[in-house]
Amino acid sequence: SYVLTQPPSVSVAPGQTARITCGGNNIGSKSVHWYQQKPGQAPVLVVYDDSDRPSGIPERFSGSNSGNTATLTISRVEAGDEADYYCQVWDSSSDHPLVFGTGTKVTVL
Amino acid sequence: QLQLQESGPGLVKPSETLSLTCTVSGGSISSSSYYWGWIRQPPGKGLEWIGSIYYSGSTYYNPSLKSRVTISVDTSKNQFSLKLSSVTAADTAVYYCARQPLAARRAFDIWGQGTMVTVSS
Repeated sequence: SYVLTQPPSVSVAPGQTARITCGGNNIGSKSVHWYQQKPGQAPVLVVYDDSDRPSGIPERFSGSNSGNTATLTISRVEAGDEADYYCQVWDSSSDHPLVFGTGTKVTVL
Repeated sequence: QLQLQESGPGLVKPSETLSLTCTVSGGSISSSSYYWGWIRQPPGKGLEWIGSIYYSGSTYYNPSLKSRVTISVDTSKNQFSLKLSSVTAADTAVYYCARQPLAARRAFDIWGQGTMVTVSS
């Protein structure tokens, strides 16, 4: 099945930029979505279809996708951004069409 | 405002069938614009997609769970359900239901709060 690999953890100082990667074979040809999950809460969609933001999500959250890596970028990081982040892929042509990444814990220093 | 709410037993015995229902309020499950999905998360671990269903009954499942999973929809009650058979301790998890807009390439844009299911005798 298709595997999406994320770094287990990313640390960033307030006001700086956090970049979370999601690696997968030719992921650039697929649609990638990103979720934020805080402890004890359900995930929240922060980026969909590589780089679109749902209403209510700050512009500080942005996404890109090319080649074998998709990236979620959080600009001007705030303490409230500390959470787990998951990427997700949808590939209608695959026998395993929907896969989540392994997850990344973002720590705000 | 659309809301989803999971319900079902919090404790299931090994080898039995786990059954959960997701009730959709504030909108119709019969909309042609959405799929509806189940996702689970074992304690301290990541997210795992279980499967999804369209209001017409069309389904697609995670191949690793397909032999044990049945997802169904009841449009008259605005609900969809999950059945997972032959459960083991490895099926202990928080189970979420969520909406998937077709226009958002099957992202999950609205989630239920989740329900914890423990498999234990």
